Amino acid sequence: DIQMTQSPSSLSASVGDRVTITCRASQSISRYLNWYQQKPGKAPKLLIYVASSLQSGVPSRFSGSGSGTDFTLTISSLQPEDFATYYCQQSYTTPRTFGQGTKVEIK
Amino acid sequence: QVQLVQSGAEVKKPGASVKVSCKASGYTFTTYYMHWVRQAPGQGLEWMGIINPSDGSTSYAQKLQGRVTMTRDTSTTTVYMELSSLRSDETAVYYCGRESTTSLRGFDYWGQGTLVTVSS
Repeated sequence: DIQMTQSPSSLSASVGDRVTITCRASQSISRYLNWYQQKPGKAPKLLIYVASSLQSGVPSRFSGSGSGTDFTLTISSLQPEDFATYYCQQSYTTPRTFGQGTKVEIK
Repeated sequence: QVQLVQSGAEVKKPGASVKVSCKASGYTFTTYYMHWVRQAPGQGLEWMGIINPSDGSTSYAQKLQGRVTMTRDTSTTTVYMELSSLRSDETAVYYCGRESTTSLRGFDYWGQGTLVTVSS
């Protein structure tokens, strides 16, 4: 199975900050990397697919980059509604493994 | 509009089985894979398996092989996930999520989740 490792596991940031979350795959997954946002009690929401494509309706302050084994999710200016947990996921093969999550908290 | 509507919460005893449904609407049922993902309280997302509604083919997480069964009913556009021999540590919210069969662009729609509580 392909292992997905996110860092950091949690971070504290202020409104307006630039936030970067990284995700590393245990082997090359080309660009088959997706990012999700999850708020408490809710289903995950797709933000970014195939590494850098913005899902319809997602604000442009979210962006993704990377290929091969190393990927990044960036929030250019953190907004109050962005405090949540973020997960990366590979769709290169089954099992469709997820990272362990990064919790973004208010500083 | 696309909707995935899951069945309601369940309480089961250890060793029992549970069957959760996910009714799809608003799109062509056979052009999207359906995945099942679970999340234990306070934990991350765990992929359980995939079903292709077009032909019923499946692939399951290794750790669940032999205990999980995913099926579909094309007449009602519903997929089912049955998990047997439940353990208390399998108390979790179970989600269905769809993924296009033609472009692997992530799970763009999810069900609302079904809480399965396993307790004696």
